[in-house]
Amino acid sequence: DVKVTQSSRYLVKRTGEKVFLECVQDMDHENMFWYRQDPGLGLRLIYFSYDVKMKEKGDIPEGYSVSREKKERFSLILESASTNQTSMYLCASSQHTSGANVLTFGAGSRLTVL
Amino acid sequence: AQRVTQPEKLLSVFKGAPVELKCNYSYSGSPELFWYVQYSRQRLQLLLRHISRESIKGFTADLNKGETSFHLKKPFAQEEDSAMYYCALGRGSTLGRLYFGRGTQLTVWP
Repeated sequence: DVKVTQSSRYLVKRTGEKVFLECVQDMDHENMFWYRQDPGLGLRLIYFSYDVKMKEKGDIPEGYSVSREKKERFSLILESASTNQTSMYLCASSQHTSGANVLTFGAGSRLTVL
Repeated sequence: AQRVTQPEKLLSVFKGAPVELKCNYSYSGSPELFWYVQYSRQRLQLLLRHISRESIKGFTADLNKGETSFHLKKPFAQEEDSAMYYCALGRGSTLGRLYFGRGTQLTVWP
């Protein structure tokens, strides 16, 4: 019954490494999102995409990039990981309709950068 | 600019007591308001949305445009209500971008 799958549940990386976080949804949703979740800061939007090859910056895009080559897959890339990117990363998707604000979330990827 | 404020980071009540999680927003247009919930070790999920005007798990929330609030209420809290609750605002766009508050961690003691 899993609808939004994040490939890695836990990752440990070193400063300066390139990190890929993958997200796949099977609901044929047009919209996909990457958030980071930090205690006391809530959910902050990094990037989102409303169509294949389309991307929009969220509130905290610095240090991140994304890729959406296929409708079902949305990847988050940390070009050179830093310790302040240690966080829980949540992927979500939604329809491109009046139900666009009903997000379905993945289980999250907890990234630790040493 | 749009903003969502949840003034309480932590909220504790005893089982059977009423609970109210506060949410205030700022937005000049017509907002869509939501409550999302994350139970321990579970995914973040939608609890309720203001346009549906329904009660979910005993929770209700009324949009008060005059006070720009969307407080979440339950008359008799249960231990299983313990979770992190996020209030979120949408702008009615099909792009689905939501603005989340910082969350309130609710603990219901037995």
